[in-house]
Amino acid sequence: SAVISQKPSRDICQRGTSLTIQCQVDSQVTMMFWYRQQPGQSLTLIATANQGSEATYESGFVIDKFPISRPNLTFSTLTVSNMSPEDSSIYLCSVEARWREDPDTQYFGPGTRLTVL
Amino acid sequence: DAKTTQPPSMDCAEGRAANLPCNHSTISGNEYVYWYRQIHSQGPQYIIHGLKNNETNEMASLIITEDRKSSTLILPHATLRDTAVYYCIVRGNAGNNRKLIWGLGTSLAVNP
Repeated sequence: SAVISQKPSRDICQRGTSLTIQCQVDSQVTMMFWYRQQPGQSLTLIATANQGSEATYESGFVIDKFPISRPNLTFSTLTVSNMSPEDSSIYLCSVEARWREDPDTQYFGPGTRLTVL
Repeated sequence: DAKTTQPPSMDCAEGRAANLPCNHSTISGNEYVYWYRQIHSQGPQYIIHGLKNNETNEMASLIITEDRKSSTLILPHATLRDTAVYYCIVRGNAGNNRKLIWGLGTSLAVNP
């Protein structure tokens, strides 16, 4: 089965700075997703990133704050810009897999735990 | 909002079956029931999904009622490593209905 990795696994950042999170898949996938999980909360979808097109953002999330790149079928980045303590969360990427028998199932990376001071 | 209702927490003795219920009374005919679990803030792990029929894999069994308004995830022999938050999600296969909408899940504690 394919492997989904994220870098960094965790980071502590100062407010006002930016952090870019990488998501790497060892198989080609069409759809990648970015989620946020705030402390004690469930997952919230930030955006959907398809290769070759602009990311589609969910209500409450904007490109200026969370720019996303999707340069090829195995890689994506999410940047958390101008961070504040409210951005402290776990950030997760997921992919819709085609290497399993059901192509519509989402599989998740290990997450990036971000703390903003 | 999530289209499912789950109890916030459950306990299970190690070695016994864990039966996790989920209500999805507004489920549509083309919507699937998906189960994921999240172990201590790791990335969610896919467990199983189904449409109408009961399903079984190496991790668990999924029992869906005939009217599809509820389902039960069964971990046949729970171990301490099964302690996690379990999420039941209803998901369609087109447009916005394909999105995974996450509730708060059931926090399962497997006790020795």
